[in-house]
Amino acid sequence: GESVGLHLPTLSVQEGDNSIINCAYSNSASDYFIWYKQESGKGPQFIIDIRSNMDKRQGQRVTVLLNKTVKHLSLQIAATQPGDSAVYFCAENKAAGNKLTFGGGTRVLVKP
Amino acid sequence: EPEVTQTPSHQVTQMGQEVILRCVPISNHLYFYWYRQILGQKVEFLVSFYNNEISEKSEIFDDQFSVERPDGSNFTLKIRSTKLEDSAMYFCASSPREGTEAFFGQGTRLTVV
Repeated sequence: GESVGLHLPTLSVQEGDNSIINCAYSNSASDYFIWYKQESGKGPQFIIDIRSNMDKRQGQRVTVLLNKTVKHLSLQIAATQPGDSAVYFCAENKAAGNKLTFGGGTRVLVKP
Repeated sequence: EPEVTQTPSHQVTQMGQEVILRCVPISNHLYFYWYRQILGQKVEFLVSFYNNEISEKSEIFDDQFSVERPDGSNFTLKIRSTKLEDSAMYFCASSPREGTEAFFGQGTRLTVV
């Protein structure tokens, strides 16, 4: 069945270090992936997306890597800041549809 | 910056009562969604809506749920007879095109007592 899952429920990082959050997906028909950030009491906030015809995409301080061979997605945050503390979700979609399937979430805690 | 707005931010209702959660999607978006998040769990898809009809729904979205776009700006989720297990954060989202990122509102926390 379809599933998107995360390996690490909590990630503690020192301020200024890089963070890597991982996500596995099982639906090989998925061709669009999104990372969302959710702060306490707020809705998911779009960070970055990637389509299956790419294996890497960079944004401001964030990079998403897609490995379709092993159905793995990662989010790298450079120079992690206190404001990066949140729960991060990966989500997958098929381009012909509009249903996002979310993973379980990873909590990132940034230590000063 | 345009955003999805939801009202109310918190709704408390008695079991068996009807609730209507309201959303104003981003104005030029064409696709609208409802998701829910039970406390401590992942975000779950409920329904997508396009061109004034449901385009996809999950198994959660049973006969107790309905959606409506009563005018050009609002998008509502109605739960006819709430159950305790309907307690969750309900998120409205919208996107400009098919297969693109969805922008989420801040959510409505529904508490059924």
